[in-house]
Amino acid sequence: DADVTQTPRNRITKTGKRIMLECSQTKGHDRMYWYRQDPGLGLRLIYYSFDVKDINKGEISDGYSVSRQAQAKFSLSLESAIPNQTALYFCATSDQGEGNNEQFFGPGTRLTVL
Amino acid sequence: RKEVEQDPGPFNVPEGATVAFNCTYSNSASQSFFWYRQDCRKEPKLLMSVYSSGNEDGRFTAQLNRASQYISLLIRDSKLSDSATYLCVVGGRTGRRALTFGSGTRLQVQP
Repeated sequence: DADVTQTPRNRITKTGKRIMLECSQTKGHDRMYWYRQDPGLGLRLIYYSFDVKDINKGEISDGYSVSRQAQAKFSLSLESAIPNQTALYFCATSDQGEGNNEQFFGPGTRLTVL
Repeated sequence: RKEVEQDPGPFNVPEGATVAFNCTYSNSASQSFFWYRQDCRKEPKLLMSVYSSGNEDGRFTAQLNRASQYISLLIRDSKLSDSATYLCVVGGRTGRRALTFGSGTRLQVQP
C-alpha cells in the first residue's frame, strides 16, 4: 500500500462548487503539505502543517483552506471553485528534524473546474 | 525574480551522452538543497540531496556553489529511463521554512 494517498485522483467540477481533497499518510510524519502544479510554473505551496495545531499559509493560499484532522490526515478545501484552480494537486509529508528533510508525495489529484 | 530558477529545456540527448543542468537560487540564507525527479503526470521523488562538498550517486553527481548560489546536476552515460523532469529544490535555514521548488528541467534521452 502507498504511504501517502490522495482522494479523489481525478475530479471535474463546476464553478462555485465546494470541493475537498483528502490526504492520508502512514509514514508517521508530523509535517504535511499541499502543493499545486501548473505547466511551466512548477510546484507552488498552498498550505503546510508542522503538527496538528500548527498550520501555515504558503505562497498561494487565497481561495483555499485546510484542516489537519489528525497527524495522518490533511485535507484541502476549495470553498467556491473557480476555473483558474484547475491544476494538479499534490500532498506531501516529511519527518521532523533540523533542516529540511525529504518530502514524500502522494500520487496527485487532477482537478478540473469548468 | 523567482526564488529558484531553472532552464525548462527540453534537453534532447542521445543515449550514452553526458548532460548537465544548473539551477540558481536567490536566498543566500538557504541551507538545504535537493534534486527531485518527476516523471510525466507522476509525483516528484527525491533523486539526491546536495551537500556542500558535492556528492555522487552512481551516474549522478550534484554540486553546490554557495558563492554563486547555484546547484548543478550531472548525468553520465544517459539512459532512456533518465527521461523525466528534474526539479531543483531549496530549503531554508531551519525546518520551519518549507521547501521551494524550481519549475523543472525536462530531459529527453533518445535512442
